[in-house]
Amino acid sequence: GENVEQHPSTLSVQEGDSAVIKCTYSDSASNYFPWYKQELGKGPQLIIDIRSNVGEKKDQRIAVTLNKTAKHFSLHITETQPEDSAVYFCAAKSGGNEKLTFGTGTRLTIIP
Amino acid sequence: GAVVSQHPSRVICKSGTSVKIECRSLDFQATTMFWYRQFPKQSLMLMATSNEGSKATYEQGVEKDKFLINHASLTLSTLTVTSAHPEDSSFYICSARDLLGAGDTGELFFGEGSRLTVL
Repeated sequence: GENVEQHPSTLSVQEGDSAVIKCTYSDSASNYFPWYKQELGKGPQLIIDIRSNVGEKKDQRIAVTLNKTAKHFSLHITETQPEDSAVYFCAAKSGGNEKLTFGTGTRLTIIP
Repeated sequence: GAVVSQHPSRVICKSGTSVKIECRSLDFQATTMFWYRQFPKQSLMLMATSNEGSKATYEQGVEKDKFLINHASLTLSTLTVTSAHPEDSSFYICSARDLLGAGDTGELFFGEGSRLTVL
């Protein structure tokens, strides 16, 4: 089955700087890669996703890049703000399989 | 976006009792819902896939007699933790996909989670 690895596990960034979180996946058939933000005591919230036919996607301060050959994808947050502090999870889903496999999470702390 | 509601958000029960958690899709229909378990500071682990009108599909290592799943309608799935013990204490999260978005469109909507504490 799919295996998703995520790094780093914790990340502290000065407010205004950029944050990058990286994930790798094992199943070359995976074709959907969402990123979720989870705040304490709440469920995950989708912040951006990318499909395998696209190499990059951007939504305001958030961007995701996908390298299918290397089987890795990354989340980029620019101009970070204190409210960006949360745990971020990447995930991967194979075509024809409805299950999402999650990464291990990154606790992002924005230092004011 | 679509809304998935879980109830209760928090529940405390005594060891040996059973607890039911509900997951509802509020503004869309979902033939499939997923139940996850999350321990503190860990990732989400898929427990089972709940299919409307049929039996749930459990992941390896998840006891189906312990975690009963019922998906009686296109908008409701329930997870019952039977004879709960302290080790069942965890954060349980459900997710659902919009029926109109079935196939390979991807996006799952998550509930806010239910924190179970077994004394």
